[in-house]
Amino acid sequence: KNQVEQSPQSLIILEGKNCTLQCNYTVSPFSNLRWYKQDTGRGPVSLTIMTFSENTKSNGRYTATLDADTKQSSLHITASQLSDSASYICVVSTYGNNRLAFGKGNQVVVIP
Amino acid sequence: DAGVTQSPTHLIKTRGQQVTLRCSPKSGHDTVSWYQQALGQGPQFIFQYYEEEERQRGNFPDRFSGHQFPNYSSELNVNALLLGDSALYLCASSLVQGDYEAFFGQGTRLTVV
Repeated sequence: KNQVEQSPQSLIILEGKNCTLQCNYTVSPFSNLRWYKQDTGRGPVSLTIMTFSENTKSNGRYTATLDADTKQSSLHITASQLSDSASYICVVSTYGNNRLAFGKGNQVVVIP
Repeated sequence: DAGVTQSPTHLIKTRGQQVTLRCSPKSGHDTVSWYQQALGQGPQFIFQYYEEEERQRGNFPDRFSGHQFPNYSSELNVNALLLGDSALYLCASSLVQGDYEAFFGQGTRLTVV
């Protein structure tokens, strides 16, 4: 079983609308959680990184939340744009060895 | 400041051949990790290099090997290629100390035919 589970697997949203992506993890001990944006065929680009003590972090129209007690995170995209079409990957780091566990990604398609 | 650079960007190989992929880390980073990403899947950890030694390894066969040079750049070698090795290979660099944030290269798309 994957240590990082993301949902929904894919979604289609209209340009200008908001959406929320979910990430549940079982990684322990926890160090930090990152959200990456990956365009097709490209390397992931970091959006946010949160440690245990942080419960929200924003990067422009992207806002990530973290509940370390329930081991859940979300990524909220506000006023989506066509350029937001990508895979959004949740990555959790293990404390001590910095091992990264990747989710399979949320595939987002923004249509006009 | 150059980020993580990988070469080549695309590669086509025949089953049974060997391939070498290259990665130059972000300036100031001393740790390089390699990942394999199949289509529609999240990246899978192959191994990590620090101080020219393999420090951690994922669940990949010995056909996958690597090397890190004194300038921190790294190579990933895959022997006896299989069709299933077709994937996007990602290199990420980071600092062993510090915030551990990993920066990824653009990847090498390997197709085995």
